[in-house]
Amino acid sequence: EAQVTQNPRYLITVTGKKLTVTCSQNMNHEYMSWYRQDPGLGLRQIYYSMNVEVTDKGDVPEGYKVSRKEKRNFPLILESPSPNQTSLYFCASSNLGSPLHFGNGTRLTVT
Amino acid sequence: GQNIDQPTEMTATEGAIVQINCTYQTSGFNGLFWYQQHAGEAPTFLSYNVLDGLEEKGRFSSFLSRSKGYSYLLLKELQMKDSASYLCAVRDNYGQNFVFGPGTRLSVLP
Repeated sequence: EAQVTQNPRYLITVTGKKLTVTCSQNMNHEYMSWYRQDPGLGLRQIYYSMNVEVTDKGDVPEGYKVSRKEKRNFPLILESPSPNQTSLYFCASSNLGSPLHFGNGTRLTVT
Repeated sequence: GQNIDQPTEMTATEGAIVQINCTYQTSGFNGLFWYQQHAGEAPTFLSYNVLDGLEEKGRFSSFLSRSKGYSYLLLKELQMKDSASYLCAVRDNYGQNFVFGPGTRLSVLP
């Protein structure tokens, strides 16, 4: 089944403890992207990647890192999480001519 | 610059028709997409326009005017389950990156 898989679905952590949210797609998509969604603010792009080893900042990249070493994986790294990074995160992927496919989301709480 | 605008909230009655508008100003254009999102869930793809005109898919239709930077999503025969947020997104620049509007929260009342 074609899908974007994010893990974990839920995560509660403490300020400063490094964490990684994984994202994997099995559709051979070139484009992948991370978004965060907060009440009243819609989807805001964090980082995106056009292909392997090509990443670019979105609208809200501060406090986040990404890597694209392989086409299928696009992990989101929070080196030192803070409470203002508490949010619902979505990973998505697509190819030119196709719509974005979203993962099921990761609800992160930083205390 | 990138700017996509949608109404924040709309209310409609079960069985009615509702039109959700989206205006955009983006650097480059390679298609406009509509997504539906229920609270706490992932957005799901509804419709896609790359050329001017109307695209119809069952109860949902989407219209695009590239010269006006304008699109709308038309939902017919509204059902309670259509209560959700509707997101307008434009693929721009290199033909790959997506820019999302703020979303329109639709409430369908009995």
